[in-house]
Formats: sequence, C-alpha cells, structure tokens
Amino acid sequence: QKEVEQNSGPLSVPEGAIASLNCTYSDRGSQSFFWYRQYSGKSPELIMSIYSNGDKEDGRFTAQLNKASQYVSLLIRDSQPSDSATYLCAVRGYKLSFGAGTTVTVRA
Amino acid sequence: GAGVSQSPRYKVAKRGQDVALRCDPISGHVSLFWYQQALGQGPEFLTYFQNEAQLDKSGLPSDRFFAERPEGSVSTLKIQRTQQEDSAVYLCASSLPSAGTYTDTQYFGPGTRLTVL
Repeated sequence: QKEVEQNSGPLSVPEGAIASLNCTYSDRGSQSFFWYRQYSGKSPELIMSIYSNGDKEDGRFTAQLNKASQYVSLLIRDSQPSDSATYLCAVRGYKLSFGAGTTVTVRA
Repeated sequence: GAGVSQSPRYKVAKRGQDVALRCDPISGHVSLFWYQQALGQGPEFLTYFQNEAQLDKSGLPSDRFFAERPEGSVSTLKIQRTQQEDSAVYLCASSLPSAGTYTDTQYFGPGTRLTVL
C-alpha cells in the first residue's frame, strides 16, 4: 500500500464547475498536508497547506482535513481552463510523500 | 529573490555512463531534498540534507546513486553506470525549516530530465 493514495482521474469538469480531489494517507503520525499543482513539464508548485482538522479556504481553493479518517481533499470552485494541471497530494513528517497525482482538465 | 535552480535541465546519457546533476537551493535554506519523478507518477523521496549533513538517504534506489552537499549550499546528485530505469525527472527542493515543526514550505526547482538510452 502506498503511503498516499489519490483518486486516479483524469477528472474533466466544465468551466465554472467545482472540481473535487481526494487523498488518503496511511501514516497516522503525519502532521502536515499539502496540495501541489504541476503543469505538464513543470515542477510542483504549492497551492495549499493544511495542518489541523477542518476546512481552509484560499481564494477559489478549499482544503479539507480529517485526521481521524486520514483523509484530505481539495475543492476548486469556479474552475478555469488555467486550472488544468495535475494536482499532487503530499503528506509529511520531515520529507514529503506524494500521491501519484490527479490530472484535471477544465473544458471551456 | 532567485528560486531553486537545477542544471542541466535535460541530460541524455548512454547506458553505463556516469551523470552529475546540480542543485542550487534558495540562499539561506537549511534543508535540501532530492526527489525522483517517473512519468505519470508523483515525486518519490531520494535523500535529505540539513546543511551539509545527509540525514536520510533511505530513498536512494541503489548504491549507484550518491548525493553530496559539502558546503551546505549547492548539492550534487551523482548516478554511476546509468541504467534505462534511471530515466526520470530529478527534482530538488529546499526549505527554511521552522524549528520543531514540519510546516515549512518546500520550494522546487525546475528539475533535470534524464533520459538513458
């Protein structure tokens, strides 16, 4: 079992819709959770971090964390074509453990 | 300020050749990480430095992989006798850790795409 699992995708949503991305992790001792966006051929770029249970909102992005369920999610509201990318869930002690990523395509 | 830089951006090697990949972290960043990203996969941890000390090399896939950071800034990842399965993007990340927490942000370089023929 991988340390971090993501819904495999690809996920296709129409422009303006909500994209929902899910992630589960195996290490109950994990303390920090991150969502990275990676455009094709580019390096990962941090878009959200969350450390405590509940929701965290930043613009059109909302991260949700449930440590009891070992689950973290990312919602992208009002999806734009520029949101088309692969989204990587990452969990850390001191090193980052990444999921395989979910590719999101926003249809204009 | 300048971000993490890596060189070369692309490297093509014949099987059996040695390669050296360079990472220049953000100035003042204490922590430096190397990751390997295969096509269609998320990055996989290779090794971690805090200043010049290599604190974790558990992710290095074989003894052909070697990393160093002799002066606590620039790091080099060396792969000896390259194999086709070494073909991947090698990402370097640096961070300025907050003492006692794991909340620091890792900033990634652009990566080096290694292709072994």
